[in-house]
Amino acid sequence: GESVGLHLPTLSVQEGDNSIINCAYSNSASDYFIWYKQESGKGPQFIIDIRSNMDKRQGQRVTVLLNKTVKHLSLQIAATQPGDSAVYFCAETKAAGNKLTFGGGTRVLVKP
Amino acid sequence: GAVVSQHPSWVICKSGTSVKIECRSLDFQATTMFWYRQFPKQSLMLMATSNEGSKATYEQGVEKDKFLINHASLTLSTLTVTSAHPEDSSFYICSARDWRGTSGVSTDTQYFGPGTRLTVL
Repeated sequence: GESVGLHLPTLSVQEGDNSIINCAYSNSASDYFIWYKQESGKGPQFIIDIRSNMDKRQGQRVTVLLNKTVKHLSLQIAATQPGDSAVYFCAETKAAGNKLTFGGGTRVLVKP
Repeated sequence: GAVVSQHPSWVICKSGTSVKIECRSLDFQATTMFWYRQFPKQSLMLMATSNEGSKATYEQGVEKDKFLINHASLTLSTLTVTSAHPEDSSFYICSARDWRGTSGVSTDTQYFGPGTRLTVL
């Protein structure tokens, strides 16, 4: 079936630097995308979302970019902090509010 | 707003027993809740979609007689793992869809509970 991106790579980043996490999705019918952060032993925490009619959306220290042409999603974290260390998942759905398909996740390790 | 709770947060049980996990939306109504399972260092895998007042929709490969889901109210869904075995040991996570936007945020967002760690001996 359709699937979304990654197989748990690890991104090591120096504290204060920017982080970029990438995600490829395969379902061209998807119209809603979300980034979640999951800390060890906890449930996923919503970070930011974007609809398919947009190509960029900004939040507090985070920016999501969507390239529908190549079916690529990215999450940029500005001035990465130790508290940003976690596993990040992208998720997609064909219709907002419907069941999500999660990517494999990326572990972000912030070095002091 | 948009808080989802799970109870218990962790449980250890003997093989062959049944375990019930509760998922509650605390400050919004959720006609739809989702149950996921997550093994160590893996992504979340959807098990079933729970709809208030109707039968749950299970994903392919998930045994409906083993994972019983009940969504009796707009704020509560339960997952019962029946006759649990060691291979059922996992992290079970629920999410709730705030379809009315009562949380004050997007109506499309799913909010996740903190998860329940199940260990079957």
